[in-house]
Amino acid sequence: DAGVIQSPRHEVTEMGQEVTLRCKPISGHNSLFWYRQTMMRGLELLIYFNNNVPIDDSGMPEDRFSAKMPNASFSTLKIQPSEPRDSAVYFCASSLGPGESGVGTDTQYFGPGTRLTVL
Amino acid sequence: AQRVTQPEKLLSVFKGAPVELKCNYSYSGSPELFWYVQYSRQRLQLLLRHISRESIKGFTADLNKGETSFHLKKPFAQEEDSAMYYCALMRGNAGNMLTFGGGTRLMVKP
Repeated sequence: DAGVIQSPRHEVTEMGQEVTLRCKPISGHNSLFWYRQTMMRGLELLIYFNNNVPIDDSGMPEDRFSAKMPNASFSTLKIQPSEPRDSAVYFCASSLGPGESGVGTDTQYFGPGTRLTVL
Repeated sequence: AQRVTQPEKLLSVFKGAPVELKCNYSYSGSPELFWYVQYSRQRLQLLLRHISRESIKGFTADLNKGETSFHLKKPFAQEEDSAMYYCALMRGNAGNMLTFGGGTRLMVKP
């Protein structure tokens, strides 16, 4: 199993451009999380999906950010328009999800991250 | 609101020395706490969880509800322990959402 897959690994874009980050969770996992990591703010949860439904998006910084999960094997995080302060590493993680019994069902498995630079 | 604080951004020790990475939390409910680790060029991964009360790679962490702490300890640090360590709190009524601390970079010198 390749684990959580994210693409692209690196993205450099100019201010004002649209950016789309992609994530493929581990097969069989019902929960998916998007995080943003910066030096100043550390690792912040942006949005949480369970069974493809957004459960909590209170961490999404503003309307320029949107996330979708059209099916159990794919999610996107879009920034439109992008700004230099959006530069960060964006992580996707998945887990079996709530309601699953057994120790370890809440363990989150992280992707390698996408390093976004907005010039 | 929940919060996780890791007061040290960087901790540097010599090989063989004891290590303690501090973590304090604030949460009014019954928390579940975790330590995640990110080694160089590797993904962020779970190291241990408090409910398992296990030792992983020689690390242990005890939940102290009175002091609202979950410090990570190892009696004898190894060079391969050098990594970024994150303490995380899972709220009991919010699915599997985690709140992470700011992280502590551990450097073990030879």
